[in-house]
Amino acid sequence: DVKVTQSSRYLVKRTGEKVFLECVQDMDHENMFWYRQDPGLGLRLIYFSYDVKMKEKGDIPEGYSVSREKKERFSLILESASTNQTSMYLCASSLVFGIGSPDTQYFGPGTRLTVL
Amino acid sequence: ELKVEQNPLFLSMQEGKNYTIYCNYSTTSDRLYWYRQDPGKSLESLFVLLSNGAVKQEGRLMASLDTKARLSTLHITAAVHDLSATYFCAVDRNQRNTDKLIFGTGTRLQVFP
Repeated sequence: DVKVTQSSRYLVKRTGEKVFLECVQDMDHENMFWYRQDPGLGLRLIYFSYDVKMKEKGDIPEGYSVSREKKERFSLILESASTNQTSMYLCASSLVFGIGSPDTQYFGPGTRLTVL
Repeated sequence: ELKVEQNPLFLSMQEGKNYTIYCNYSTTSDRLYWYRQDPGKSLESLFVLLSNGAVKQEGRLMASLDTKARLSTLHITAAVHDLSATYFCAVDRNQRNTDKLIFGTGTRLQVFP
């Protein structure tokens, strides 16, 4: 079974702090994703990585950055946390896209971040 | 710009009843996914629909895809309490060699006795 793990289930930080959210997958997936989930808005893509050291902005990248130094690990960084970044953050991974490879995304358990 | 709309947003239904959740999307896409999320938990994949007319069934849930109408449905047959959860549809953006998805806002299903 694919396993996606996230470093923390709950996190409380203060405004202005630098925050690191870690995600690790154990199935050698090429693609990794960071989403945030807010009530009434569904999941919104923050950043996407399709290979080591490769990244693309998603729909709401402002205030975030990412790092992928190893294939299995994808980190989300909040450079200076703000209260509007209080949310549930979900990491996901999937195999590389291709014909005959319509793999679904596998999600981690989520990190509920509160910024005070 | 691809948009995905689900309705209803909230569904309260009695055990044993049937109902359908609808997922409309605004531009052409090759793939559609359904996920389930239990309270406080992460998303679990239910179905992947790849072509027009695709139908998949698992237990009391059946999903179908009409790419011409840009519509997918998730039909619930004889609901039971265990199906209480939030259901999301997600559509592939059809961008080069990626599987970036756009998610609907979710349908919160509550099944009561």
